[in-house]
Amino acid sequence: SYELTQPLSVSVALGQTAWITCGGNNIGTKNVNWYQQKSGQAPVLVIYRDSKRPSGVPERFSGSNSGNTATLTISRAQAGDEADYYCHVWDSSAAVFGGGTKVTVL
Amino acid sequence: EVQLVESGGGLVQPGRSLRLSCAASGFTFDDYAMHWVRQAPGKGLEWVSSISWNSGRIGYADSVKGRFTISRDNAKNSLYVQMNSLRAEDTAFYYCAKDIGKDIFLDGFDIWGHGTVVTVSS
Repeated sequence: SYELTQPLSVSVALGQTAWITCGGNNIGTKNVNWYQQKSGQAPVLVIYRDSKRPSGVPERFSGSNSGNTATLTISRAQAGDEADYYCHVWDSSAAVFGGGTKVTVL
Repeated sequence: EVQLVESGGGLVQPGRSLRLSCAASGFTFDDYAMHWVRQAPGKGLEWVSSISWNSGRIGYADSVKGRFTISRDNAKNSLYVQMNSLRAEDTAFYYCAKDIGKDIFLDGFDIWGHGTVVTVSS
């Protein structure tokens, strides 16, 4: 079955840029979605179809996808960006989630 | 306001059944595919099942195939999952989620409910 690999944790200084990767075999050929989940809350879609932002999501969140790696970029990180982030793709009629990355803003 | 509200969770013994419901409001329910996603305590997200706008296409995770049945009633703006032969490993928060589009296996989930807890234990 298809697997998505994310780093367990990423730390970023306040106001700096964080990159969260999601690795998968030829993931560049798939549409990647990203979700933010703050502690005790339901997930929120922050990026869909690799790089599109739902309404209400700050422009500081952006996405890219090529080859074997998709990346969620958080620019000018804020304390409120602290959360778990999950990537998601569809493969062989099944939804696959990455294991999640905990982002800490220092 | 677009909203999904899950219900039906609780404590159930192994081998027993439970039916979860998800009430949708604030959008045209039958224009969108719907999904169930679960999250075990302290763990990541796990896809459970999906259903297209008209119930024409349905998908299940291998871990629940043959035990869970997803359905929807567009007249009642509601999504369901019937969970049979429950196991301890089914213990999780269960989220209902709305798809961006009509069909499944394509897109992301843009609206999520707050979830309902299912605990399978004797």
